[in-house]
Amino acid sequence: EPEVTQTPSHQVTQMGQEVILRCVPISNHLYFYWYRQILGQKVEFLVSFYNNEISEKSEIFDDQFSVERPDGSNFTLKIRSTKLEDSAMYFCASSAWGYTNYGYTFGSGTRLTVV
Amino acid sequence: DQQVKQNSPSLSVQEGRISILNCDYTNSMFDYFLWYKKYPAEGPTFLISISSIKDKNEDGRFTVFLNKSAKHLSLHIVPSQPGDSAVYFCAADPNNTDKLIFGTGTRLQVFP
Repeated sequence: EPEVTQTPSHQVTQMGQEVILRCVPISNHLYFYWYRQILGQKVEFLVSFYNNEISEKSEIFDDQFSVERPDGSNFTLKIRSTKLEDSAMYFCASSAWGYTNYGYTFGSGTRLTVV
Repeated sequence: DQQVKQNSPSLSVQEGRISILNCDYTNSMFDYFLWYKKYPAEGPTFLISISSIKDKNEDGRFTVFLNKSAKHLSLHIVPSQPGDSAVYFCAADPNNTDKLIFGTGTRLQVFP
């Protein structure tokens, strides 16, 4: 079964450093998302991306965050200057139709630890 | 912002019995509701969804019920199996947006 692949599975970074989280969505999917889950809290929407541009973003997704689809396969989330509170599990997801009622396919996540 | 609430952090059920997971919401404009299952070290996996215009949707052992007047939905798993042990998230799709709003999850444990 096709899957969304995220790398690395765990990243430790120092506060103030830039990090790039990588995702390879399912190949024929056109809609891409990033969510995050701070330990013990709910899964939160960050951003959605379609046709090479952001279609929607949450208030969490401030100027420190950016997304990019640099080639035909990768979808990346960059955090420019990490803060302690950015420590969370970051999930990438993709969808063929962009209709959330069909459910997304999520990756296994990248655990980001900011020290 | 507690638009989607799962008030039971955990549930323990014997194998073969029914598991009922509950979810409440506050926004009457939600278009669709979804249930996701999550195992440790994995991403959420889509289980089943229901449109706001329906009151029941069934897929194998999983049935979701929606009570719009009470702003409440529930996921029934019958019969429960040990492999169902996971965290279950309720999620809602606000109309005309591109995102899901998740609840905090309920950890289901199915014991033999």
